Amino acid sequence: DGGITQSPKYLFRKEGQNVTLSCEQNLNHDAMYWYRQDPGQGLRLIYYSQIVNDFQKGDIAEGYSVSREKKESFPLTVTSAQKNPTAFYLCASRGLAAYNEQFFGPGTRLTVL
Amino acid sequence: QKEVEQNSGPLSVPEGAIASLNCTYSDRGSQSFFWYRQYSGKSPELIMSIYSNGDKEDGRFTAQLNKASQYVSLLIRDSQPSDSATYLCAVNTGTSGTYKYIFGTGTRLKVLA
Repeated sequence: DGGITQSPKYLFRKEGQNVTLSCEQNLNHDAMYWYRQDPGQGLRLIYYSQIVNDFQKGDIAEGYSVSREKKESFPLTVTSAQKNPTAFYLCASRGLAAYNEQFFGPGTRLTVL
Repeated sequence: QKEVEQNSGPLSVPEGAIASLNCTYSDRGSQSFFWYRQYSGKSPELIMSIYSNGDKEDGRFTAQLNKASQYVSLLIRDSQPSDSATYLCAVNTGTSGTYKYIFGTGTRLKVLA
């Protein structure tokens, strides 16, 4: 089955800890994205990548870091510098043609204790 | 700041009625437009995409695009209780090679049995 997987589904973090969220896709998509969703708000772009070993900051990149060492994988690290990390994190991917559609993984819900 | 605006709702319609969801966007250069459905606690699911002015129909769903008015809408015919969800409008605003999506905050739809 082709798709996007995210793990873990739920993650609890103590203040001051870094945590890494996994995102893997087997759709052969070039572009991958990380979004954050807070209650009552839309999706906000954290980072995106359109090619291996290259990525760009989105609108709210502070306190986050990413890597893109493989086409299939785009992990997101939430660092201790992110002051309010409790949120629903969504990974997405799409092909690079102009009208390709973007698809989402199931999401990771991060809670800071 | 490029924006996508949606009425947050809730929009309540009786079962069997037509639900009409609206979205406006600010960037005249936007090329493609998407509607996602998001159930509570789940990730967004793509239901419609539209790229040209006019109507596009897929089963009970019809997307309508008017680029001159910078307006895109989604009609759901014969609404069912299972259609109760938040509907997100997304606009692809990137120039060639830098495709970024801007999401509205979503409209919550309640279909009353």
